[in-house]
Amino acid sequence: GAVVSQHPSRVICKSGTSVKIECRSLDFQATTMFWYRQFPKQSLMLMATSNEGSKATYEQGVEKDKFLINHASLTLSTLTVTSAHPEDSSFYICSALGLAVAYNEQFFGPGTRLTVL
Amino acid sequence: DAKTTQPNSMESNEEEPVHLPCNHSTISGTDYIHWYRQLPSQGPEYVIHGLTSNVNNRMASLAIAEDRKSSTLILHRATLRDAAVYYCILIRGSQGNLIFGKGTKLSVKP
Repeated sequence: GAVVSQHPSRVICKSGTSVKIECRSLDFQATTMFWYRQFPKQSLMLMATSNEGSKATYEQGVEKDKFLINHASLTLSTLTVTSAHPEDSSFYICSALGLAVAYNEQFFGPGTRLTVL
Repeated sequence: DAKTTQPNSMESNEEEPVHLPCNHSTISGTDYIHWYRQLPSQGPEYVIHGLTSNVNNRMASLAIAEDRKSSTLILHRATLRDAAVYYCILIRGSQGNLIFGKGTKLSVKP
């Protein structure tokens, strides 16, 4: 089946530093990738949608200069949290959508838990 | 996107069937009904989706009301591994965005 990986699975960083999270589709080409954020005991919130080779579309209230998304290839998207602060601590999850795989089915990565000290 | 309403939590006994309800009274004709689930500390996974007819796959069955204003996800024999938050989501058209509500937290007792 279609597999999406994320790296790293956990990251702890100091306030003010930047953190990059990678999302890869391992066995299919992802035309669209999505980034979500999930705070403890809450549901997933869509942050942005990215299509390969074009700029990401951010949801209302998500700062595009703080959460940099790059989708340079059909198998890789990256999310960089710039100048991270403790309030950015969260579970970040990506998902991928591919035309060659099951219609209408998003495949999710295992998530990255970010802790900002 | 049309909203869905689900119970906050449900309990089931292991190896018994589970019926997870979802109300979507404002559904439009082009909205697909999707179900995803999220196990603790993991990303969500797709369970099933449908438009008008009932659907079956290896994980579950989806029963859709005739007026499409409600649906029920059916797990035929719950296992401990089925303990998760189940999300009922409406998607307009072919590949729209997933908007996650609060979902139903399913607990399975041995």
